[in-house]
Amino acid sequence: DAKTTQPNSMESNEEEPVHLPCNHSTISGTDYIHWYRQLPSQGPEYVIHGLTSNVNNRMASLAIAEDRKSSTLILHRATLRDAAVYYCIPRANAGKSTFGDGTTLTVKP
Amino acid sequence: DTGVSQDPRHKITKRGQNVTFRCDPISEHNRLYWYRQTLGQGPEFLTYFQNEAQLEKSRLLSDRFSAERPKGSFSTLEIQRTEQGDSAMYLCASAQEGRTEAFFGQGTRLTVV
Repeated sequence: DAKTTQPNSMESNEEEPVHLPCNHSTISGTDYIHWYRQLPSQGPEYVIHGLTSNVNNRMASLAIAEDRKSSTLILHRATLRDAAVYYCIPRANAGKSTFGDGTTLTVKP
Repeated sequence: DTGVSQDPRHKITKRGQNVTFRCDPISEHNRLYWYRQTLGQGPEFLTYFQNEAQLEKSRLLSDRFSAERPKGSFSTLEIQRTEQGDSAMYLCASAQEGRTEAFFGQGTRLTVV
């Protein structure tokens, strides 16, 4: 698996955008970049994934660097319900991955 | 179908006892994964099934652990002779062939006393 580096924690104010970075400099050419999040006392939840192009869905946007060595998950307007641990997983199949420690996002009202 | 279901949600057992957990995946998903998660850590991959075949096992899966998926639908994870170090959340996920995203259950929290 490609090694990832994410900040341990980040804070945001409610209704402001949040940019969660991830470095994955050893990513291989066929690895997708997946993002999952885990709310307290819940199993992880799929957020978004991409290969080379930036991606948008109803939950978030994913910006992928041109060299694919880093990516940024963007929550356009953070809500209190977005407080969670966010995991970045560069792998062809996210199901067979160990997740790493992720970034704990705190959203302040 | 409301998603991946795991049973029980919580289990407390004495050291040395055997425990078995069940996972019911989303019905059309042929891939099934088991994970273990300890407090403050991300989930660690344990094993993976495609239909009834167990295709991959992590080195974390010691001889005391066994998983089955006999008819390619639900799966069980058994831990024999439990140890205190087995205390963790055990998560199950399923995925549809050809798609990369996996869907997780809420987990079974095991406490070994």
